[in-house]
Amino acid sequence: QSVLTQPPSASGTPGQRVTISCSGSSSNIGSNYVYWYQHLPGTAPKLLIYRNNQRPSGVPDRFSGSKSGTSASLAISGLRSEDEADYYCAAWDDSLSGWVFGGGTRLTVL
Amino acid sequence: EVQLVESGGGLVQPGGSLRLSCTASGFTFSNYWMTWVRQTPGKGLEWVANIKQGGSEKNYVDSVKGRFTISRDDAKNSMYLQMNSLRAEDTAVYYCAREGREAAGFDFWGQGSLVTVSS
Repeated sequence: QSVLTQPPSASGTPGQRVTISCSGSSSNIGSNYVYWYQHLPGTAPKLLIYRNNQRPSGVPDRFSGSKSGTSASLAISGLRSEDEADYYCAAWDDSLSGWVFGGGTRLTVL
Repeated sequence: EVQLVESGGGLVQPGGSLRLSCTASGFTFSNYWMTWVRQTPGKGLEWVANIKQGGSEKNYVDSVKGRFTISRDDAKNSMYLQMNSLRAEDTAVYYCAREGREAAGFDFWGQGSLVTVSS
C-alpha cells in the first residue's frame, strides 16, 4: 500500500486532455511540495513537475501540475502516443522523514 | 552533461550482502543530496534512502532500516548502498538519483542496476 494514492490506470485518445490524481495527507502533500515523474519501462524515470507546478527545461507545456490541500493532480493536454507511460507523484513525508511515492498510474493512449 | 552510473547489482542468496555504487559526473557532486530509489518487479517506485552533502544526514525507508547503509565519497564522486540481510522482497532495479537544489526534485537519474535475491 502506497502512502500516496493514485488511480492505477488512465486513458485517452490523441489530442485529448487527461488528468491523474494523487491523494495524500497533512504530513506529506499537505505540508510539502509535490513532484511528478514519468517512467517508461527499461528507462530512467524522468522529472516532469517539481514544486507542485514547475516544469524543468525541456518538458513540454502540455504537462501541468496543481495542488490543493492534501491532493494534487497532473494534467496532460494534447495527448500524444509518446505520452504512454507510468506516472508517479511523490512528496516528502514529515512523519516518516522520507520521500513517498504514489503507486503509479499507467497511461494508455488509445 | 550530468551522468549517473550504477554498478554492483547481481544475483545474491537470501541473507546475503551486496554493495551498489553510483558514480556521478558532469556536476559538483559534493553540493547535492543523493538518493536511491527502487522498482520491484511489477510494482511501482519506492524511495529507499538519501544522504546529505558531506554525509552528515541520512534517511531510510522503514523496510531497510538496520539492513542497508547509504554512504558517499565526495572525492570519488560516488555514492554507495551497502545491502545486508537481503530478502526476496528486496529484488528490484535500484536507481540512484540527484536531488536538485532548492526543492527541484530528483532531477537526474541513472539507468538502474538489477538486484535479484533468490536461492
